[in-house]
Amino acid sequence: DVKVTQSSRYLVKRTGEKVFLECVQDMDHENMFWYRQDPGLGLRLIYFSYDVKMKEKGDIPEGYSVSREKKERFSLILESASTNQTSMYLCASSLLGGGTQETQYFGPGTRLLVL
Amino acid sequence: AQKITQTQPGMFVQEKEAVTLDCTYDTSDQSYGLFWYKQPSSGEMIFLIYQGSYDEQNATEGRYSLNFQKARKSANLVISASQLGDSAMYFCAMRVKSTLTFGKGTMLLVSP
Repeated sequence: DVKVTQSSRYLVKRTGEKVFLECVQDMDHENMFWYRQDPGLGLRLIYFSYDVKMKEKGDIPEGYSVSREKKERFSLILESASTNQTSMYLCASSLLGGGTQETQYFGPGTRLLVL
Repeated sequence: AQKITQTQPGMFVQEKEAVTLDCTYDTSDQSYGLFWYKQPSSGEMIFLIYQGSYDEQNATEGRYSLNFQKARKSANLVISASQLGDSAMYFCAMRVKSTLTFGKGTMLLVSP
C-alpha cells in the first residue's frame, strides 16, 4: 500500500513565524504535491515537484516555498505565516507514467491555525 | 484552463439505495484522466475510481462506477447499495499532464 505521511496533524503558529510542513512517501514516487483546502473552495494546488530539486508553481504559490532534497520528502515552507494561511494542507504523491499510474495518493493532512 | 463543476453541494440517500453524484468538466486537451476521491471527516483523501479519456468502457470498482459521457463532458459517480460509512465529502478531479484540478465537492449523507 502507498503510504504518505505528514509531520503533524494539527499545528498552531503565530503570525510572522516560519513554518515547515513535511511530507514523506514510501513508494518511490516521482511526483509530489502540496494542496491547501478551504471550505467552499475545494483543493487548490500550491506547488508540485516531479523530481529531486525540481519544483513547479501551482495555482496559489504566493507566500509559500518548497524544498525537495530527497525523492521521498517534500517540504512546504511558510516564510512568514499569516492568518490567511490558516487552512488544511494536504500532501500527495504519484508515479510519473500516465493513466491510472499517475493516481495521486494523499497524506492525512495538517490543520494549520495561524494566530 | 481546466474546470470541474459539482453542482450538488449535498445529497441525502437511504442505506442500501443507489446514489449518483454529478460531475462535469471542461478542457481543451484530448488526453486527460478523471478521478473521484472520498474525504471522510478524518480529512484524508481516499482514491475511489479512475477513468481515462480514451477508455471506452465505464470504470467500475466494487460498489463504485463512473458513468463517463465524453460528448457531454460528464463523469458522474454512482454508488450502489449505500452504506452508513459512505457518508463523506466526494470530490471529482481531472488530470491534465500531471496536475489535478478539483471540484468543490458534494457532501453525501447516508441515513439508516
